[in-house]
Amino acid sequence: GAVVSQHPSWVICKSGTSVKIECRSLDFQATTMFWYRQFPKQSLMLMATSNEGSKATYEQGVEKDKFLINHASLTLSTLTVTSAHPEDSSFYICSVPTGETEAFFGQGTRLTVV
Amino acid sequence: GQNIDQPTEMTATEGAIVQINCTYQTSGFNGLFWYQQHAGEAPTFLSYNVLDGLEEKGRFSSFLSRSKGYSYLLLKELQMKDSASYLCAVMDSNYQLIWGAGTKLITKP
Repeated sequence: GAVVSQHPSWVICKSGTSVKIECRSLDFQATTMFWYRQFPKQSLMLMATSNEGSKATYEQGVEKDKFLINHASLTLSTLTVTSAHPEDSSFYICSVPTGETEAFFGQGTRLTVV
Repeated sequence: GQNIDQPTEMTATEGAIVQINCTYQTSGFNGLFWYQQHAGEAPTFLSYNVLDGLEEKGRFSSFLSRSKGYSYLLLKELQMKDSASYLCAVMDSNYQLIWGAGTKLITKP
């Protein structure tokens, strides 16, 4: 199956700063990637669909100016949390769909904003 | 609206058989997934059902009834390492995954 590498695994940042999370598809050309957020003891919540070469599609309630997504190549999508606040602390996960029936996940990024 | 229901938590003994149920109401249906997620880690794929019936894969089996909007994940010969959250997800008509809140499985010796 496809290998998806997400970096960093964890990050602590100060309130008001920005954090960039990378998601790389190592052996599959991904025109689409998904970004999820997961709060403790809750399920995955889709934030946005990242589209190679075009604008991301954001889910209702997700601020596109706060969560900047760039999908500049078929192997890399980035999520930048701008002006992070403590309430943005969460587990962020990317996934790469490799067909209609399967998707592979990155390792996840634990973001803590202090 | 779209809804996925599964129990919040289950407890079972090592060596036992556990069935985790999932009921769903979604806009269209293009398959149901089960994922395992250990605390602090990303989910890992367990099974995919798109047709009615039972799919068996080693100690894990997954069942689907589309007419009832119902699925279950069956774990046999339960092991301590099976303690994790089990997520049920349905792919809707737009090929988007709708996730359940997950069932936390606690395995006791």
